[in-house]
Amino acid sequence: QVQLQQPGAELVKPGASVKMSCKASGYTFTSYWINWVKQRPGQGLEWIGDIYPGRGITNYNEKFKSKATLTLDTSSSTAYMQLSSLTSEDSAVYYCSRRGAGTMDYWGQGTSVIVSS
Amino acid sequence: DIQMTQSPSSLSASLGGRVTITCKASQDINKYIAWYQHKPGKGPRLLIHYTSTLQPGIPSRFSGSGSGRDYSFSIRSLEPEDIATYFCLQYDILWTFGGGTKLEIK
Repeated sequence: QVQLQQPGAELVKPGASVKMSCKASGYTFTSYWINWVKQRPGQGLEWIGDIYPGRGITNYNEKFKSKATLTLDTSSSTAYMQLSSLTSEDSAVYYCSRRGAGTMDYWGQGTSVIVSS
Repeated sequence: DIQMTQSPSSLSASLGGRVTITCKASQDINKYIAWYQHKPGKGPRLLIHYTSTLQPGIPSRFSGSGSGRDYSFSIRSLEPEDIATYFCLQYDILWTFGGGTKLEIK
């Protein structure tokens, strides 16, 4: 079955960077786009960007272009997102999801990023 | 950018009852809307895509309809496991989420 595994939480200091992972299994990793989505406490979801493992193509929401960097390790079927220059505004749950059926069909459980000194 | 206005933000209904959630897009999204169920600590679960197409394994008491800018999602015969937050997602042009609806059982 399709699974996207994400670590549960990351505690990071203001000004630092964090790189979170999304390990895919149960399907051909290189055939489906991976999306990244942000959810701040009590707020709605925001699309950050996506990456196509088959070719390494990326698309970013303009709002996150200077904040997020999407990369891959196809040998381990893992997608990564790095967030830089972290502030309290970056404290949120970050989800990865697969693009299938035209939309986001499978999601990870999310990584909670806490930015605190 | 396309905006999605979802309502209500919360609702309470009885077991066995029916609820309807709406999403209004800021422009025609050509039926490219999906609906999700989200429970705390879990990833969202896709229920419906392309307005009304049920994902495999999703009970038929979940349904969706609409066109143009106006879309709705309904659950009939509410069950205790339906307690969750539901949200819409337009994927006609990039991706925009509705604000979510928290469903509680009376």
